[in-house]
Amino acid sequence: DQQVKQNSPSLSVQEGRISILNCDYTNSMFDYFLWYKKYPAEGPTFLISISSIKDKNEDGRFTVFLNKSAKHLSLHIVPSQPGDSAVYFCAALQGGSEKLVFGKGMKLTVNP
Amino acid sequence: NAGVTQTPKFRVLKTGQSMTLLCAQDMNHEYMYWYRQDPGMGLRLIHYSVGEGTTAKGEVPDGYNVSRLKKQNFLLGLESAAPSQTSVYFCASTQVDPTNEQFFGPGTRLTVL
Repeated sequence: DQQVKQNSPSLSVQEGRISILNCDYTNSMFDYFLWYKKYPAEGPTFLISISSIKDKNEDGRFTVFLNKSAKHLSLHIVPSQPGDSAVYFCAALQGGSEKLVFGKGMKLTVNP
Repeated sequence: NAGVTQTPKFRVLKTGQSMTLLCAQDMNHEYMYWYRQDPGMGLRLIHYSVGEGTTAKGEVPDGYNVSRLKKQNFLLGLESAAPSQTSVYFCASTQVDPTNEQFFGPGTRLTVL
């Protein structure tokens, strides 16, 4: 059973607009969430994270929102740039665990 | 710092052949991980290690073995490769940290014919 779900496999947006990437989880014991970005032929790189004690974390153009009651988080990219085109993975961590649980990823395409 | 490096970058094997993938990190991280990435499947954990001399099974461990004889190295072995093991393999490492921000290597693309 998939504990971290990224239900939309792809998203296409225009440069300068907002990109919203969604992630749902089923395990209520998860208490830390991370977003990773992956370019083709490269390893994933950490983008932004959020603790379950917060509902928002912002870093430049990237903001992650967490809705614990809905078991839902989203990554907002504003404004979107062509260089943001990549696959984005949502990941979750349960306190005391050494293992991240990853979603299947979503491919974002930002068109010039 | 080189970060996390993986050797080799590409490899083609025939069914039944064996090989070892090497992961090295120079960040003095305690935890190391091996993942495989397949289309539509995301990143799936094969094996991991929480310190030198320790290993543990992840989500998809069958057909793989690992060793962590030195803190900086984590080896992934395929004793008898199968076409189902065709994948891109990523190694990652992290410090002992509640946030578990993992640093990934560039990947090894393995094809088993």
